[in-house]
Amino acid sequence: GENVEQHPSTLSVQEGDSAVIKCTYSDSASNYFPWYKQELGKRPQLIIDIRSNVGEKKDQRIAVTLNKTAKHFSLHITETQPEDSAVYFCAATSTGFQKLVFGTGTRLLVSP
Amino acid sequence: DGGITQSPKYLFRKEGQNVTLSCEQNLNHDAMYWYRQDPGQGLRLIYYSQIVNDFQKGDIAEGYSVSREKKESFPLTVTSAQKNPTAFYLCASSAGLAVLEQFFGPGTRLTVL
Repeated sequence: GENVEQHPSTLSVQEGDSAVIKCTYSDSASNYFPWYKQELGKRPQLIIDIRSNVGEKKDQRIAVTLNKTAKHFSLHITETQPEDSAVYFCAATSTGFQKLVFGTGTRLLVSP
Repeated sequence: DGGITQSPKYLFRKEGQNVTLSCEQNLNHDAMYWYRQDPGQGLRLIYYSQIVNDFQKGDIAEGYSVSREKKESFPLTVTSAQKNPTAFYLCASSAGLAVLEQFFGPGTRLTVL
């Protein structure tokens, strides 16, 4: 079945720096790659997603890139702010279906 | 995601007891999902349902059961067969078919005493 690996598990940056989180997936048929942000004790919130027919997508300070050949995708956050501190999860669709397989999460800490 | 509710927010259970977690959505979504989240781990799929009266096992279905009698409701029962049930349980829904975005409920934190 599909496997999604996520790195790093923790990431500490200074306010204003950029942060990059990377994920690799195993199933070449995966066609949808969302990113979720989860604050402590809260529900995961979809922040950005990308489909397999697109190489890059941007929304203000957040961008996602997809490399289908290498089977990896990344989340880029620019000009980080303390409120960006949270756990971020990547996910990918499983073979031929609507299941999502999640990475193990990255705890991002943005220090003022 | 405000259209998905879970209850209760906190739940305490004695060992050997079954307990049912509620998940309701008013988004008219066809698909619903149950995930388990443990500290330091990602979300693991327990069960999912694409249509009413049909559901499939996810990656960690042992010790759990579900039903999907109504489109808006997808309750999860944690049975006494689940060896380590203490966790944060999240319900999600999506519109179904080619619409892949999943929206999550607020979660239920289950603690076995």
